[in-house]
Amino acid sequence: RKEVEQDPGPFNVPEGATVAFNCTYSNSASQSFFWYRQDCRKEPKLLMSVYSSGNEDGRFTAQLNRASQYISLLIRDSKLSDSATYLCVVETGRRALTFGSGTRLQVQP
Amino acid sequence: EAGVTQFPSHSVIEKGQTVTLRCDPISGHDNLYWYRRVMGKEIKFLLHFVKESKQDESGMPNNRFLAERTGGTYSTLKVQPAELEDSGVYFCASSQDLIVGYTFGSGTRLTVV
Repeated sequence: RKEVEQDPGPFNVPEGATVAFNCTYSNSASQSFFWYRQDCRKEPKLLMSVYSSGNEDGRFTAQLNRASQYISLLIRDSKLSDSATYLCVVETGRRALTFGSGTRLQVQP
Repeated sequence: EAGVTQFPSHSVIEKGQTVTLRCDPISGHDNLYWYRRVMGKEIKFLLHFVKESKQDESGMPNNRFLAERTGGTYSTLKVQPAELEDSGVYFCASSQDLIVGYTFGSGTRLTVV
């Protein structure tokens, strides 16, 4: 079983749609959680950190459920520029990050 | 603020040759990390420097890989001798504090033929 599991997609959605990605992690000792965005042939870029209380940044909302070891990302009012691969990332206390394989999003006009 | 810089951006070498990748972290970032993504797989941790010290090298695949960070500034990752399975994208990242996450470089795409 992978340490961080994501649905690879692709998720094909029209502009303006709301889309949600989920991620599960296996290590209950994990301490920090992030969503990164990666465009084709580019480096990962931090989208947002994820907190137990949930956090929102504009059209993006992230949630963490420690009991279920589950992380989510909600994107509202999707834009064409949101098309990318979204990486669920977990840190287990060693300061090393464990990456999911990513969920591909394609927003269509 | 200058980002994390990696050099070269691409490298094509023959099996058995040596390649050295370089990473310049964001100035003032004590933490420097190497990661790599091989074809079809997720990004995997290789090692972590705090200043010039190796904090964690548990992800290094074998002794053909040698990372250094002399003086606690830039870092090099040497692969000697390179094998076909070493092909992939090698990312460097730096951070001052994990709470705010890492900044990644644009990566070095290594192809071993």
